[in-house]
Amino acid sequence: AQSVSQHNHHVILSEAASLELGCNYSYGGTVNLFWYVQYPGQHLQLLLKYFSGDPLVKGIKGFEAEFIKSKFSFNLRKPSVQWSDTAEYFCAVKDTDKLIFGTGTRLQVFP
Amino acid sequence: DVKVTQSSRYLVKRTGEKVFLECVQDMDHENMFWYRQDPGLGLRLIYFSYDVKMKEKGDIPEGYSVSREKKERFSLILESASTNQTSMYLCASSLFSNEQFFGPGTRLTVL
Repeated sequence: AQSVSQHNHHVILSEAASLELGCNYSYGGTVNLFWYVQYPGQHLQLLLKYFSGDPLVKGIKGFEAEFIKSKFSFNLRKPSVQWSDTAEYFCAVKDTDKLIFGTGTRLQVFP
Repeated sequence: DVKVTQSSRYLVKRTGEKVFLECVQDMDHENMFWYRQDPGLGLRLIYFSYDVKMKEKGDIPEGYSVSREKKERFSLILESASTNQTSMYLCASSLFSNEQFFGPGTRLTVL
């Protein structure tokens, strides 16, 4: 079965800094990959997803992620974070009809 | 917009009580899911359902059961609540194997 690793558990940044959150999945073949975000007190919502095609995926709020098949990775990036990006971020991979989630990365952005 | 609602945002129960958590989605999705979310552990799948009256065990089904009598409603049941079931419970739905849409969560405390 698939598994997902998020190596950054807690990231602290100042506003305008660049962000990269790591996500690795365990084995290859055809994969569907997701990044979800949970803002404080809110429900999980989809940031972006990759099913096929262009490996550079653009999501909401200026986020993007790059699928690198050879590295089994799907890292999330944002060139300049804002205070409002403070949230928990979850990477997920589809395994048959289920999603396998990583343990999450808590991002704190200070003004 | 897809809407997934959960019956309670906060719930406090006593050890040994039977607990029902209800989830309703309004987009005619086939698939519904129950997760628990714990700090440092991410989201772990408890049960899911592909269709009415169908259910599949997830990764941590012990101590839980589910019911899906109608397509839009998926209930999670704790037959005899225990303190280690104190957690945030998230319901989600999806159309076939596409992205999942999440409810706001129920924070359950078992005393």
